[in-house]
Amino acid sequence: DAGITQSPRHKVTETGTPVTLRCHQTENHRYMYWYRQDPGHGLRLIHYSYGVKDTDKGEVSDGYSVSRSKTEDFLLTLESATSSQTSVYFCAIRKTGLVNDTQYFGPGTRLTVL
Amino acid sequence: SQQGEEDPQALSIQEGENATMNCSYKTSINNLQWYRQNSGRGLVHLILIRSNEREKHSGRLRVTLDTSKKSSSLLITASRAADTASYFCATDAKGGNQFYFGTGTSLTVIP
Repeated sequence: DAGITQSPRHKVTETGTPVTLRCHQTENHRYMYWYRQDPGHGLRLIHYSYGVKDTDKGEVSDGYSVSRSKTEDFLLTLESATSSQTSVYFCAIRKTGLVNDTQYFGPGTRLTVL
Repeated sequence: SQQGEEDPQALSIQEGENATMNCSYKTSINNLQWYRQNSGRGLVHLILIRSNEREKHSGRLRVTLDTSKKSSSLLITASRAADTASYFCATDAKGGNQFYFGTGTSLTVIP
């Protein structure tokens, strides 16, 4: 699992409240990703980071912000949660090399916005 | 969006049979990857095939890639009940750092 943890693993919150999800890695990989997974949509990229303080938007970034102040942590923030953001959120790191280019995923965070 | 699509959406087979699932994508790629997801878990990388490769094997897995048709297939031979999972293809954009996942094929292997 490449030493990836996500916290919290489950969260229930109310519409309009801010929510921060944390992804932590232990192997100092440069690239980190946040995806959401919804039925019928597969995984969709929200934001990704290619280094400390270096981030970029993905396919479904509206309503989300991210921060990466140190290599091991990548935070995803929902500034004002909406019911449409109820989803399972996965963090991933990317290992690159001459032969492989692989993502390793965390266990996921199930978020429910009431 | 470059999101790929897997076909079929769901597949049910008997243990010992082969399972084939297909992936189509939209734009040029550097490589294509297949992932597996057990219920309630994160995705696990299975195999990567580069755009200049046509076929790749790993254990009971065989992946093909046809860049002219923008499609790939994953064959699992001699399936086992433990292969029951969802399978996703993922592509990258040439020169990009973003990955695009398909909608997945749900495979059920009946003991």
